[in-house]
Amino acid sequence: DAGVIQSPRHEVTEMGQEVTLRCKPISGHDYLFWYRQTMMRGLELLIYFNNNVPIDDSGMPEDRFSAKMPNASFSTLKIQPSEPRDSAVYFCASSPADGKSYNEQFFGPGTRLTVL
Amino acid sequence: GNSVTQMEGPVTLSEEAFLTINCTYTATGYPSLFWYVQYPGEGLQLLLKATKADDKGSNKGFEATYRKETTSFHLEKGSVQVSDSAVYFCALTYSSASKIIFGSGTRLSIRP
Repeated sequence: DAGVIQSPRHEVTEMGQEVTLRCKPISGHDYLFWYRQTMMRGLELLIYFNNNVPIDDSGMPEDRFSAKMPNASFSTLKIQPSEPRDSAVYFCASSPADGKSYNEQFFGPGTRLTVL
Repeated sequence: GNSVTQMEGPVTLSEEAFLTINCTYTATGYPSLFWYVQYPGEGLQLLLKATKADDKGSNKGFEATYRKETTSFHLEKGSVQVSDSAVYFCALTYSSASKIIFGSGTRLSIRP
């Protein structure tokens, strides 16, 4: 299994630009999570989906952030417009709903975003 | 609400030293407890887990015992290696939930 795939691995952009981060979860996993990690704030859950439906977006920092999951194998996290304080590593994770894994989440390698 | 508190880092040890990273939790009922590890430049990965009181999770020489009486899940290893240098996260979840609640992470550095 290829694991959770994220792209791009690194993104450098200028303030005000639109940024789109992409994630392909592990096939067969029903849950998908987006996290943000910074030195100051640690690991923060932004939003998660169950069967492509957003369940909890209370962690999305503001309206500049949006996430979609058009099908079971693809999700995007968009920031528009981007700001320097959005600089962070963004992780995607997926989890099966098979009742055996105790909600173990499988993380992708992350996208390191730098907003200048 | 439910929360996880772990010792602040960084923790710096010499190779072959004994490691303890403390973790306590606040939760109702009977959560499952995890330790995740994040190696440099990578995402988090599950290191070990325990799903009920007195369970001991173990993997790669690391161990942690689910202590309900002290609401703790301390991570231990008898002899650390340079390759153990990473950030370690204590976490909890419920079988009825889908989210995992993570602690703030403890950075571990091992000197050769």
